[in-house]
Amino acid sequence: GESVGLHLPTLSVQEGDNSIINCAYSNSASDYFIWYKQESGKGPQFIIDIRSNMDKRQGQRVTVLLNKTVKHLSLQIAATQPGDSAVYFCAEESNDYKLSFGAGTTVTVRA
Amino acid sequence: DAGVTQSPTHLIKTRGQQVTLRCSPKSGHDTVSWYQQALGQGPQFIFQYYEEEERQRGNFPDRFSGHQFPNYSSELNVNALLLGDSALYLCASSLASTGTDTQYFGPGTRLTVL
Repeated sequence: GESVGLHLPTLSVQEGDNSIINCAYSNSASDYFIWYKQESGKGPQFIIDIRSNMDKRQGQRVTVLLNKTVKHLSLQIAATQPGDSAVYFCAEESNDYKLSFGAGTTVTVRA
Repeated sequence: DAGVTQSPTHLIKTRGQQVTLRCSPKSGHDTVSWYQQALGQGPQFIFQYYEEEERQRGNFPDRFSGHQFPNYSSELNVNALLLGDSALYLCASSLASTGTDTQYFGPGTRLTVL
């Protein structure tokens, strides 16, 4: 079955530096991927998405890269700010409508 | 533009009781999905409702049931509560006709079973 996982459970980054969060997936048939940010006590917040016919997509301060050959997804955050401290989840949307999430990476921004 | 709303925010129940959680989707959305998130884990898909019917279900027992109303709002019902049902219950809404089916989440309901 499919599974979505993140390489590292925690990431500590200096304010102003760039952050890279990685995710591996196992279902090669998946065609839609989403990154969510979840702050303490809140629901997941949509950050950016990408379809399997793309390799890269950019948003405001964020970039998602998709490598279908090795089934790897990453989220890059430019100039990390204290407000970026949160748990980040990658999710895979299968053709049966459900989202499959990994366990998440906790990002802590050091001042 | 109202986002996804859920009620109540917090709930405390005892084992064996029943609970009903409520969700109103984002304005313009017609599809509602429910997820269970245990502490320190990613959300787990429970089921999805579209056109007032359950169209997909995850690996959850029949104690978990739901409903979608004509105004697209939804309820999640859990019967015979177990201690292990303690979790954050998340509702997500999407618009089926967009093709991307991007799901937007509400703030969740924190359920504690004693």
